[in-house]
Parts: sequence; C-alpha cells; structure tokens
Amino acid sequence: GESVGLHLPTLSVQEGDNSIINCAYSNSASDYFIWYKQESGKGPQFIIDIRSNMDKRQGQRVTVLLNKTVKHLSLQIAATQPGDSAVYFCAENLSGANSKLTFGKGITLSVRP
Amino acid sequence: DAGVIQSPRHEVTEMGQEVTLRCKPISGHDYLFWYRQTMMRGLELLIYFNNNVPIDDSGMPEDRFSAKMPNASFSTLKIQPSEPRDSAVYFCASSSGQAYQETQYFGPGTRLLVL
Repeated sequence: GESVGLHLPTLSVQEGDNSIINCAYSNSASDYFIWYKQESGKGPQFIIDIRSNMDKRQGQRVTVLLNKTVKHLSLQIAATQPGDSAVYFCAENLSGANSKLTFGKGITLSVRP
Repeated sequence: DAGVIQSPRHEVTEMGQEVTLRCKPISGHDYLFWYRQTMMRGLELLIYFNNNVPIDDSGMPEDRFSAKMPNASFSTLKIQPSEPRDSAVYFCASSSGQAYQETQYFGPGTRLLVL
C-alpha cells in the first residue's frame, strides 16, 4: 500500500551546520504535509507544514521543500543547535481524509558539539 | 491553552489487569486521535473520533482494546486484559477539523509497562 517513508534512520551533524532531513511519500493524492519533532520523553511537536500548492515554506530556522514530481519532502534546519537533537517525523494528509495523518517511521538527528 | 492533557503519565501494571488511559483534547477541537508508539512499529494510529463519534477504529489491535469519547472534553482508551506486548507509549492528539487546519497537537503520552 502507499505510505510515507524516510530515507535514513539517523543523521549526525556538527553544531552550526545546516541539516537536511528527507522524506519520500508515495500517495500522489496527499495534499498536506507536516514535519514533527519528538524529543526524548515527549510527544511529537509541530514544526512546520506545507500544502501541495506550494513548493517551499520557511519558518524560523526551518524550511520545508516539497517536490511533487518525485514525491519528496525535505526539512532544512539552519545553523543546527544541540536543542535540535530529536526524532523527526514527516506526515501526510490524504485529500479528504478527515484530518487523518499518515506518519513516517522517523529519523534521529544527532548534533555533535 | 494547556494543550492536550493525558493521564497517567506512567503506568506499570501486571498482565491481566485492566488499564485505562485518559485524554483531554484542546478545547474547541473536533477531532481526537489515539496513537501507540513502539520502537518496532513506530507511531500507529489506533482510533480517531470526530465530534465524539468514532470514525475509524481499524488500527485497534484486538478486542482487548476499546475507546470511548463521552463528551467533547474527555476520552478514554481501555485495555482489558492487558498483556506484556501492550507495553508502549500511548499518545492522544487533537485537531481543529476546520478547513486547512489539519495539524494534530499531541499530548505528552502515557508510558505503559505491562509486566
């Protein structure tokens, strides 16, 4: 079946560098995408979202890019900080799916001091 | 807003016992979701409600699991009888349900250990 998946299980970056976390989705009918951050012992926390009519959206230190041609979503974190260390999930919402989200398995971001 | 509230935060019980997890969604949110998270299976949707009515319970593992939402501000997830393989973190999330507001907001989770 169609699902959201992540390319890499872990990502290690040097503090101050930029991070790029990638996500592949296979459902072309999805029209809304979200990135969540989950710190140890906490619930997933909303970071940023993007709709299918956009290809880029920026937040504070974060940018989400959407490439519908290849069904690819990425999260860019500028000047990565130790506090960015967490598990990151992408999630998709199928158009008309009544707010139901499908989550990827998650990728761990580890920031080296 | 206090966000999504879950209780208890931790639960340790013995196999065969009944476990009840509780959730208070964000005020005004029409959708409520129950998830289970394990290392092996990641984040799984168990069931979700819209305006207190269960919409999709296809993720509920088996008949030992049941969920209710008696009113807009309260939901329970019950496991009876519990088994060691039910050990996981259970999250509750809620969303507005308004157009273009599908973002789900998660509670802190209940960490369940069944011995």
